[in-house]
Amino acid sequence: GQNIDQPTEMTATEGAIVQINCTYQTSGFNGLFWYQQHAGEAPTFLSYNVLDGLEEKGRFSSFLSRSKGYSYLLLKELQMKDSASYLCAVKGSGNTGKLIFGQGTTLQVKP
Amino acid sequence: AAGVIQSPRHLIKEKRETATLKCYPIPRHDTVYWYQQGPGQDPQFLISFYEKMQSDKGSIPDRFSAQQFSDYHSELNMSSLELGDSALYFCASSQGLQNEAFFGQGTRLTVV
Repeated sequence: GQNIDQPTEMTATEGAIVQINCTYQTSGFNGLFWYQQHAGEAPTFLSYNVLDGLEEKGRFSSFLSRSKGYSYLLLKELQMKDSASYLCAVKGSGNTGKLIFGQGTTLQVKP
Repeated sequence: AAGVIQSPRHLIKEKRETATLKCYPIPRHDTVYWYQQGPGQDPQFLISFYEKMQSDKGSIPDRFSAQQFSDYHSELNMSSLELGDSALYFCASSQGLQNEAFFGQGTRLTVV
């Protein structure tokens, strides 16, 4: 079966660092993606890992360990506008490209 | 930069009516995906197309059909609408099946 787990909610303080974890069990693996989604809006692509290790893009970094079925998204220098839902998604086996999403983590940034 | 365009943005239909949602991918993107997102839910994959051929099918009801046209735009046709079909419908596009997908703003369908 396919299973992607993330914490439901997280709270952090403006200017701080927060790490959002994601564990997955999928039939096959062709990459892990992180998206940001504000309520009622489209998911916005943040980062992509297909090999183990850390990918850094400005204030956002994402880490992958395929052997552990584990990823995290690291957000630095948090801003109020970072309050949103963060979706972990996996491309499974085959060559279809479809994304399997986790339930998303709602992050609230407080002053 | 051009993004994925979806139309209409909002749609209100009555039960048993039909609806057609349109998606225009980012230029030079050959792959289109359709997702359905209910309130407080994660996006659920419906169907995808690569180079105008269906590449995968997810939890899409038989009442729904879709296709990708020669100009790579796609349409999702929904018939015999039910109250439970009320949701946000997102289209996403990518260049090939392995690259990151970019989402459109979505169509909010309300069935009354």
